[in-house]
Amino acid sequence: ETGVTQTPRHLVMGMTNKKSLKCEQHLGHNAMYWYKQSAKKPLELMFVYNFKEQTENNSVPSRFSPECPNSSHLFLHLHTLQPEDSALYLCASSHRPEGSYEQYFGPGTRLTVT
Amino acid sequence: QKEVEQDPGPLSVPEGAIVSLNCTYSNSAFQYFMWYRQYSRKGPELLMYTYSSGNKEDGRFTAQVDKSSKYISLFIRDSQPSDSATYLCAMSNSGGYQKVTFGIGTKLQVIP
Repeated sequence: ETGVTQTPRHLVMGMTNKKSLKCEQHLGHNAMYWYKQSAKKPLELMFVYNFKEQTENNSVPSRFSPECPNSSHLFLHLHTLQPEDSALYLCASSHRPEGSYEQYFGPGTRLTVT
Repeated sequence: QKEVEQDPGPLSVPEGAIVSLNCTYSNSAFQYFMWYRQYSRKGPELLMYTYSSGNKEDGRFTAQVDKSSKYISLFIRDSQPSDSATYLCAMSNSGGYQKVTFGIGTKLQVIP
């Protein structure tokens, strides 16, 4: 595997379900990011991790819970989501947070909340 | 006023045309200017970034930054059908970690 990988690629879940999104980067980077991409809206930054420590939470509802066990892996735990949470969730990484201008993205997880 | 404005298109051009994609911004503190390409059902891919003003060229792609006008451009020469994608501009301040602000993206279609 190279670059940034994300699983699953597609996810359909009910509003009462609990699921997790996984991201893994094979680039030796130290910073990782979660973004939400909705139709006709710019990318929205959700969370930033630097060396496994969360450095930014962009006012994200608590039904989204990130986890970063090491610099290569990032999870987004989902529970009691709303239909408006349906979107493409993108993971990205950069060498370090100061290099956020050079981010590498995964293919995304297309999430549908029913 | 949005921090970054980008026309969502779609923009349709014939193969071989020169494509001009643009963004305007309001935050004069932005120092890094990036262009990403996103194919359908894929994540964004960094094409190039520029620090401060000036031009940067990479193959058929040229990025221009005019900080006095708060205007950035991406030119694609000899456009190919494989260039059909959504192009996102993005910007950030400099110094330490800086949040990146993205444009909405311009959808480009290059017609054979």
